Amino acid sequence: ETGVTQTPRHLVMGMTNKKSLKCEQHLGHNAMYWYKQSAKKPLELMFVYNFKEQTENNSVPSRFSPECPNSSHLFLHLHTLQPEDSALYLCASSQSRTGQNTEQYFGPGTRLTVT
Amino acid sequence: QKEVEQNSGPLSVPEGAIASLNCTYSDRGSQSFFWYRQYSGKSPELIMFIYSNGDKEDGRFTAQLNKASQYVSLLIRDSQPSDSATYLCAVYNYGQNFVFGPGTRLSVLP
Repeated sequence: ETGVTQTPRHLVMGMTNKKSLKCEQHLGHNAMYWYKQSAKKPLELMFVYNFKEQTENNSVPSRFSPECPNSSHLFLHLHTLQPEDSALYLCASSQSRTGQNTEQYFGPGTRLTVT
Repeated sequence: QKEVEQNSGPLSVPEGAIASLNCTYSDRGSQSFFWYRQYSGKSPELIMFIYSNGDKEDGRFTAQLNKASQYVSLLIRDSQPSDSATYLCAVYNYGQNFVFGPGTRLSVLP
């Protein structure tokens, strides 16, 4: 596997379900990100992890819970979501050196539909 | 509130023409600038980055940066129908987060 991978690619879940999105980067990067992209809207930054530590939580509702067990893996745990949470969820990674980040590379995304 | 602005388009150009995509940003301390291409239903793909004032060329793509004017552009020469996509401008300031613009939709007409 190369680059940034995400699973599943598509997910349909009910409002009472619990599911998790997985992201893995094979680029040797140490910073990972979750973004939400809704139709006709710009990318919304959700969470940032640098060296496995969460450095940004962009006022995201608690029904979204991130987890970063190591620099290569990132999860987004979902529970009791709302229909407006339906969107494309994108994972990205970059290399962080003394506060400077290189360009971000994106995974293919998970298309989430909440029914 | 740091902002990145782009004309949402659609920008329509005939095949073989030059497409010019523009982006302005509000954070004067921004250091790194990126252009991503996003096809419908797909994830953003990095196509260019630029750090210094002036032009940077890569194949049919040229990125232009003017920090004094807080302006970055992307030129696509010899546009092809396969270039039809949404182009996202992203800006980064050291120690802070990437900020993305809303994207410009480009349509290259055969």
